[in-house]
Amino acid sequence: DQQVKQNSPSLSVQEGRISILNCDYTNSMFDYFLWYKKYPAEGPTFLISISSIKDKNEDGRFTVFLNKSAKHLSLHIVPSQPGDSAVYFCAASAGYSGGGADGLTFGKGTHLIIQP
Amino acid sequence: DVKVTQSSRYLVKRTGEKVFLECVQDMDHENMFWYRQDPGLGLRLIYFSYDVKMKEKGDIPEGYSVSREKKERFSLILESASTNQTSMYLCALSRAPTGLNEQFFGPGTRLTVL
Repeated sequence: DQQVKQNSPSLSVQEGRISILNCDYTNSMFDYFLWYKKYPAEGPTFLISISSIKDKNEDGRFTVFLNKSAKHLSLHIVPSQPGDSAVYFCAASAGYSGGGADGLTFGKGTHLIIQP
Repeated sequence: DVKVTQSSRYLVKRTGEKVFLECVQDMDHENMFWYRQDPGLGLRLIYFSYDVKMKEKGDIPEGYSVSREKKERFSLILESASTNQTSMYLCALSRAPTGLNEQFFGPGTRLTVL
C-alpha cells in the first residue's frame, strides 16, 4: 500500500509560468515532508521541507504548502525555468513523533518538463 | 558541503555473484541509508543504520544485507545477485534525529545483473 502518492507521472509547463506538483499521503504519523529534485544519472538533491507545525514554507522560487486535514502537500515553482526540468520526489517521515532514525518514504516521482 | 561517495557509478555483474556496494561519508553523520530507485516505483528503502554495527530493515530487505563497521562507511551486500536486482542504488545520510533533518544522497550506482 503506497503511503506517499504522486498521481501525476509527468507535467509539462511553459517557461515563466507556475509549476504545481502535488503529493498525497495516507499515514497520519508523517509529520515532516521533503521535496527532492533528481536529474538522470545523479542522486536526488534536497529542495525544500516543511514540518507539520507549519502550513507553508518558502525558499526563493520554491514554496511548499501543507494541508494536514487533507493529507496533501504541493510544491510551487514560480517562475519555472528550463533548469527545473527534472524528476521531483515527495518524501515523508514520522521523525518528530517517531523520534527514530527511520528512512524516508518516497512517492514515485513526477517528471517536470519546462517548455521554452 | 556534504560529501557522499559511492564506490562505483556503473557496475555489471552476473547472476549468482556476490556484490558489494560501498558508501563513504566525510560528514560524521550518524544515520546512513540504502535505497533503490526503479522507473515507476520511486525510491524504496532497503536498509538503514543509525550507529556503528547497528542496522535496521527497510521496506524491501529481501536478498540484501548490510555492514557498518565504521561510522563513515555503510556497505550494501547482494549475497547472490539476481536479475531483478538490476537497479539504481542510492546511499544517503543524515544527522540524528532523522526526522528533523534532510537526507543527503550520493551519486548512485547503476547495477546491471546479467
